[in-house]
Amino acid sequence: DAGVTQSPTHLIKTRGQQVTLRCSPKSGHDTVSWYQQALGQGPQFIFQYYEEEERQRGNFPDRFSGHQFPNYSSELNVNALLLGDSALYLCASSLGTGGTNSEAFFGQGTRLTVV
Amino acid sequence: EDQVTQSPEALRLQEGESSSLNCSYTVSGLRGLFWYRQDPGKGPEFLFTLYSAGEEKEKERLKATLTKKESFLHITAPKPEDSATYLCAVRRVTGGGNKLTFGTGTQLKVEL
Repeated sequence: DAGVTQSPTHLIKTRGQQVTLRCSPKSGHDTVSWYQQALGQGPQFIFQYYEEEERQRGNFPDRFSGHQFPNYSSELNVNALLLGDSALYLCASSLGTGGTNSEAFFGQGTRLTVV
Repeated sequence: EDQVTQSPEALRLQEGESSSLNCSYTVSGLRGLFWYRQDPGKGPEFLFTLYSAGEEKEKERLKATLTKKESFLHITAPKPEDSATYLCAVRRVTGGGNKLTFGTGTQLKVEL
């Protein structure tokens, strides 16, 4: 049973560029959440997708956007990259939203470096 | 605003020296408290979920407990392979969806 998979594992981008990160959820899961983790900090919630819609959003600017596909996989897009966007981006999958107690399982992350 | 505070920030133990990590939380209606282990450069690995005060869960050398204000992760006779950052997170009842609010973690180093 494949767990949560993310691609790419590492990425280097220049300020002002755009980036797309990808995530495939754990088999049987239908909800994907994205987190940003700066060095030495805990993960910070970006947003959550369920049934191909953004259901909840954290305190991140509109430069951060996403998408969920019919097969439950998801993309995170970041436009106009800033140096401060350098971080480990984590995808977490779970089953359902709101009324469940589903554990969230994380992928290995994408390390984004903005230069 | 949900808040999670973990202490200590870093902990160095000798192999076999038991200790506890603390996670204090403030949340409007707790729907679950989660413990994760994270190795450097990797994603968090799920350990436990606790749902109500008084609940306890164990896994090998780890035991997690929960009160109405805090959770403890007890590590009994740790080994060097237990070295990692341990993260605590909470999920709220209303308006929280599946969002997890994390603490900054406790970095554990177990030495021979």
